[in-house]
Amino acid sequence: DSGVTQTPKHLITATGQRVTLRCSPRSGDLSVYWYQQSLDQGLQFLIQYYNGEERAKGNILERFSAQQFPDLHSELNLSSLELGDSALYFCASSVTGTDYEQFFGPGTRLTVL
Amino acid sequence: GQQLNQSPQSMFIQEGEDVSMNCTSSSIFNTWLWYKQDPGEGPVLLIALYKAGELTSNGRLTAQFGITRKDSFLNISASIPSDVGIYFCAGRGSSGSARQLTFGSGTQLTVLP
Repeated sequence: DSGVTQTPKHLITATGQRVTLRCSPRSGDLSVYWYQQSLDQGLQFLIQYYNGEERAKGNILERFSAQQFPDLHSELNLSSLELGDSALYFCASSVTGTDYEQFFGPGTRLTVL
Repeated sequence: GQQLNQSPQSMFIQEGEDVSMNCTSSSIFNTWLWYKQDPGEGPVLLIALYKAGELTSNGRLTAQFGITRKDSFLNISASIPSDVGIYFCAGRGSSGSARQLTFGSGTQLTVLP
């Protein structure tokens, strides 16, 4: 158990819908990272937050957004969902914004029908 | 952007055998990480390497940070059934978008009894 929690574990929805994925980092960690893992793309970095502020952006679509709240939990919002958005979404956390070691949560499996 | 080539893509070995896998990068990294992912779970950090030439062990696992800073190797000795899973390398550069982790495509390890 990495100490990072993610909810829900599974999510099934229809195209065009909007969903919110939630992540709580390890106690004491200030930085949260979101990744997408699909069969043909591997682990792709989406976005990083540090202490409530966006720190870095990766291959995140405009239909996706995230935020980190004062209690340091983070939410990833996915809207206008498409079939291709079906994937595992992982949250990771680290102590600081520049830590090399990231600890991953168990992931949310999103299925878009 | 940075690219990581991880090989082999999959391996089938007998229990008790040693295993080697490697990653090469198109650019210089200042950090190499090795993760293991079990089905339906998030990646778990196995070993972190911070210095060119560094050799680090974690039980039966040994990883090395290549001298050129463009490659890394992971060795597993005396494999056991619980070693089954997908092993990912990840690297991090020193500036800009390179500071985010880039993941290899993974090595699927199967250990036969």
